[in-house]
Amino acid sequence: NAGVMQNPRHLVRRRGQEARLRCSPMKGHSHVYWYRQLPEEGLKFMVYLQKENIIDESGMPKERFSAEFPKEGPSILRIQQVVRGDSAAYFCASSGQISTDTQYFGPGTRLTVL
Amino acid sequence: AQTVTQSQPEMSVQEAETVTLSCTYDTSESNYYLFWYKQPPSRQMILVIRQEAYKQQNATENRFSVNFQKAAKSFSLKISDSQLGDTAMYFCAFKVQGAQKLVFGQGTRLTINP
Repeated sequence: NAGVMQNPRHLVRRRGQEARLRCSPMKGHSHVYWYRQLPEEGLKFMVYLQKENIIDESGMPKERFSAEFPKEGPSILRIQQVVRGDSAAYFCASSGQISTDTQYFGPGTRLTVL
Repeated sequence: AQTVTQSQPEMSVQEAETVTLSCTYDTSESNYYLFWYKQPPSRQMILVIRQEAYKQQNATENRFSVNFQKAAKSFSLKISDSQLGDTAMYFCAFKVQGAQKLVFGQGTRLTINP
């Protein structure tokens, strides 16, 4: 059973460009979570999605950031007009049908903004 | 709001020794889950152990065990017979039952020396 997949693993963008991060949950999982990890810090919750619905985006910056989890295909975290402060590791996690299940993490995408 | 505190930024022990990592948390909730995640140099987040707050028995996974003190809001991780592969950042995390987001501590960098 494949784990949570994220791509790309590394992404370099110049200031003002767009970054698109993809996450495919574990097979059978319908809950997806995005977290951000700044250097030398713990992970911070950004957003929780189920298929075609954003359930909780309380940790998402109000501007430039958006997330989706379409009926078909991976979940996408999109950052428009990136700035240097967006440089971080972005982790996706998934859990099973019951939202209280353990969250299993992908390998993360390390975003570097030049 | 829930908070998680790991008071040991770094720890270092010799191979085969036993080491205990500390974690305290603050919450007014009575039903919740606690987790320890390991982040090796590869940056992958790996679940080490999980504890349900309603269970009095401490969770154990092979060489890893926890000391869960609900009244003291303490959740320490003990690693027995430590191995070089245990070298990693260790994060304590908390989740309210029925909620979705994990709240992470700042992490403890553990080094196992040969």
